[in-house]
Amino acid sequence: DAGVIQSPRHEVTEMGQEVTLRCKPISGHDYLFWYRQTMMRGLELLIYFNNNVPIDDSGMPEDRFSAKMPNASFSTLKIQPSEPRDSAVYFCASSLAQIHQPQHFGDGTRLSIL
Amino acid sequence: QKEVEQNSGPLSVPEGAIASLNCTYSDRGSQSFFWYRQYSGKSPELIMFIYSNGDKEDGRFTAQLNKASQYVSLLIRDSQPSDSATYLCAVNQDQAGTALIFGKGTTLSVSS
Repeated sequence: DAGVIQSPRHEVTEMGQEVTLRCKPISGHDYLFWYRQTMMRGLELLIYFNNNVPIDDSGMPEDRFSAKMPNASFSTLKIQPSEPRDSAVYFCASSLAQIHQPQHFGDGTRLSIL
Repeated sequence: QKEVEQNSGPLSVPEGAIASLNCTYSDRGSQSFFWYRQYSGKSPELIMFIYSNGDKEDGRFTAQLNKASQYVSLLIRDSQPSDSATYLCAVNQDQAGTALIFGKGTTLSVSS
């Protein structure tokens, strides 16, 4: 079975540009999570969805960040406008709905804002 | 603010030794506990999960959970250089048991 698929793997862009990160969860998984990882703050949960509905977006740092899940097989995380402090590795993960279910991570997108 | 604490390390052990990684959590109501391994430049991969007090063994790995003391640990027996990585402890943060809080990880270095 295919795992969680993220694109692009690397993104380098200039400050002020719009950035869109994409994620395809594992088929059949009900939950989708977006994380950001930096050396200073570790792995932080930004937002997660259950059956395409956002459940908790309290981790989204600012209004510049937005996430959507238009269907069960696709989600986007958008940053507009981007800033250098947004530079990080962004991971998408998915899991089944039952309690105790582990999350499976994609390979991540390494984002650099110049 | 729910927290998961880990010693950042690095934890250095010789090949063949037992590596002991520890994690404490703040929310007494937490029910699910996970250990992920992350190699440099890679994504986290699940090693083990545990949700009952006591020990759970899987090959060279043993997870230990003590809910009364609010800690969970991971033992790696017969450590190999390929075990050198950062180990992340994760704890569920909601009643549904789905969203996780991750510790910042402990870096393990196994020398040959």
